[in-house]
Amino acid sequence: DAKTTQPPSMDCAEGRAANLPCNHSTISGNEYVYWYRQIHSQGPQYIIHGLKNNETNEMASLIITEDRKSSTLILPHATLRDTAVYYCIVRVGGGSQGNLIFGKGTKLSVKP
Amino acid sequence: EAGVAQSPRYKIIEKRQSVAFWCNPISGHATLYWYQQILGQGPKLLIQFQNNGVVDDSQLPKDRFSAERLKGVDSTLKIQPAKLEDSAVYLCASSSARDRRIFNYGYTFGSGTRLTVV
Repeated sequence: DAKTTQPPSMDCAEGRAANLPCNHSTISGNEYVYWYRQIHSQGPQYIIHGLKNNETNEMASLIITEDRKSSTLILPHATLRDTAVYYCIVRVGGGSQGNLIFGKGTKLSVKP
Repeated sequence: EAGVAQSPRYKIIEKRQSVAFWCNPISGHATLYWYQQILGQGPKLLIQFQNNGVVDDSQLPKDRFSAERLKGVDSTLKIQPAKLEDSAVYLCASSSARDRRIFNYGYTFGSGTRLTVV
C-alpha cells in the first residue's frame, strides 16, 4: 500500500503558485520523498525528490517539514499544461529496494 | 536519449483471447518494471526485472500473466486468457543504478499500452 496521503483534487488559477500537500507520517529515515506527475494518456514523469532538505529544480520546489512527516510540492507559476495527476511517493533510495508504490494522487486542474 | 518504447499503443481483444505487450527500455538500464494502471487509480507494480532475472513478481497474477526478459534488454508481458477486469493501461519503466544521478531520479516510463477487453 502507498505510504502517503494526498487530497484527491485541487484547482489552481493559471499563473498562480500551485501548492500540493502530502502526508507521509510513517516515513523511515532512509526513505526519500519523490514526486511524479501523469498527464492524460502519458506515463508518469519524474518531477523532483528529496530526503530532508528543501529542493528546487527547473520544474518545481519541494518543501519537506523538519520532522519529515509531510511535504509540499510547489509549482511557482502554474500553466494549463500543468494540469495532471500528481503522485507523492516515499521510497528507499538505493539499490533494487523500494519500488515506486503509487497511491491515487492529486488531480490538479489549472484554470484560465 | 531515446525513451522507453512500448507497443502497441492500443489493443482491443475479446475476453478469453491472448495478448502480448512489448517494451524496449532505455539503453543500458538494467532494471525494468511492468505496471498496470486501471482507470482512476495509480499504477500498480506487476513485475520487476534486474537484467534478465525476476526481482519481484509478487503482484503478478501468475495464472494468466507472464513476462520475460530473455536477453536482459527488451521485455514482453503476456495475458492468457484475458478477463474483462484486465482492461487497463500497461506501463513499462526502466531505471539504472550505475549512474547515481539517473537512479535518484527514479524511473523513466513509457507511454503505455491501453488494453480494452470486451
